[in-house]
Amino acid sequence: GAGVSQTPSNKVTEKGKYVELRCDPISGHTALYWYRQSLGQGPEFLIYFQGTGAADDSGLPNDRFFAVRPEGSVSTLKIQRTERGDSAVYLCASSSGGPGDYEQYFGPGTRLTVT
Amino acid sequence: GQNIDQPTEMTATEGAIVQINCTYQTSGFNGLFWYQQHAGEAPTFLSYNVLDGLEEKGRFSSFLSRSKGYSYLLLKELQMKDSASYLCAENSGGYQKVTFGTGTKLQVIP
Repeated sequence: GAGVSQTPSNKVTEKGKYVELRCDPISGHTALYWYRQSLGQGPEFLIYFQGTGAADDSGLPNDRFFAVRPEGSVSTLKIQRTERGDSAVYLCASSSGGPGDYEQYFGPGTRLTVT
Repeated sequence: GQNIDQPTEMTATEGAIVQINCTYQTSGFNGLFWYQQHAGEAPTFLSYNVLDGLEEKGRFSSFLSRSKGYSYLLLKELQMKDSASYLCAENSGGYQKVTFGTGTKLQVIP
């Protein structure tokens, strides 16, 4: 079946602009995660959804970052007033959310460049 | 990944065995992941250890000691395609939150 998809694959934006990054999880997966990865680093946790609700948003760096998952499937990560420091690869992952099933399936990522 | 420590880089020879170590410190620890990430690609799942001991999966094995806060990934019969970053990650808390280390970049040489 189809894996996790993310669009766009690349996004270049100017400092101060607003961007939206989209994630389509594997069908039926109730758990969805957003991570940010800078060069040479591991993925940094941003937010976790279980169904439609954000179960943990403690990783969002500040209030310029916001994510939604209104129907419990597709999720959008929104970044306002982008800064050069926001440049990174934004990864989305999903898992079944069932007990004992912890494997996270990652999408290819969106490479965000803020100029 | 401030609670996770793993070497930054390692080099090993094709056909050899390499062990990548990882230590972690956390309360509420549930289990330990290993992921492989090739340059420019997304991480892919290798293993998840909950109980102490060694779990073998083909050429790859993963070990966990909960009392020592220690894990390792063992790669046997190294192939050139094994050149990648190997990410150690802990699952902690009441749900499936995962915290990644910075990764170990493995280079396999002929």
